[in-house]
Amino acid sequence: DQQVKQNSPSLSVQEGRISILNCDYTNSMFDYFLWYKKYPAEGPTFLISISSIKDKNEDGRFTVFLNKSAKHLSLHIVPSQPGDSAVYFCAASAFLRGFQKLVFGTGTRLLVSP
Amino acid sequence: SAVISQKPSRDICQRGTSLTIQCQVDSQVTMMFWYRQQPGQSLTLIATANQGSEATYESGFVIDKFPISRPNLTFSTLTVSNMSPEDSSIYLCSVVRGRDGETQYFGPGTRLLVL
Repeated sequence: DQQVKQNSPSLSVQEGRISILNCDYTNSMFDYFLWYKKYPAEGPTFLISISSIKDKNEDGRFTVFLNKSAKHLSLHIVPSQPGDSAVYFCAASAFLRGFQKLVFGTGTRLLVSP
Repeated sequence: SAVISQKPSRDICQRGTSLTIQCQVDSQVTMMFWYRQQPGQSLTLIATANQGSEATYESGFVIDKFPISRPNLTFSTLTVSNMSPEDSSIYLCSVVRGRDGETQYFGPGTRLLVL
């Protein structure tokens, strides 16, 4: 049972345009959401997060939107740059057994072409 | 963020053998986490390691297969025992940092291939 889903395995965008990566979740217990970027042969790098009490969080070129009623979040990258090409993982967390347990989506591979 | 290192960065092992992966953090942390990312799949939590107590394993993972040590607040090891080709994965450790205490930061990973 995949609790966090990223339905688009890949996305291609031109440099300077907006990249929109989507993520859906099923468990209402999730109260914190994160996006990670992963380059080959490296560990995931934290990008941006959002608490369930907010619907938007912005950090430079990256903005995360949360729609709790739809159990949907998205990551917007504006403007996209070739260096943004990587696999992006959405993660959702819930406080279970004394810690925030992270559940990851399957990832979306973003390719930004010059 | 946190500076996290893992050793080895990659290895090729024969089935039936065991490999111990080390994770070192640049400062003291209470909780450390071990994840697995199988080819083409997402990251899956194996276990949570607290210093001074037994690791807590997620469903589908057992101590005999993945024994974990946490001798101090900056170091942990994960052993992949009696390996089979199905254990070929990237193994990652992570720690919680940040003011919110909810953001996990990951090491670079250990890429394991079992023949």
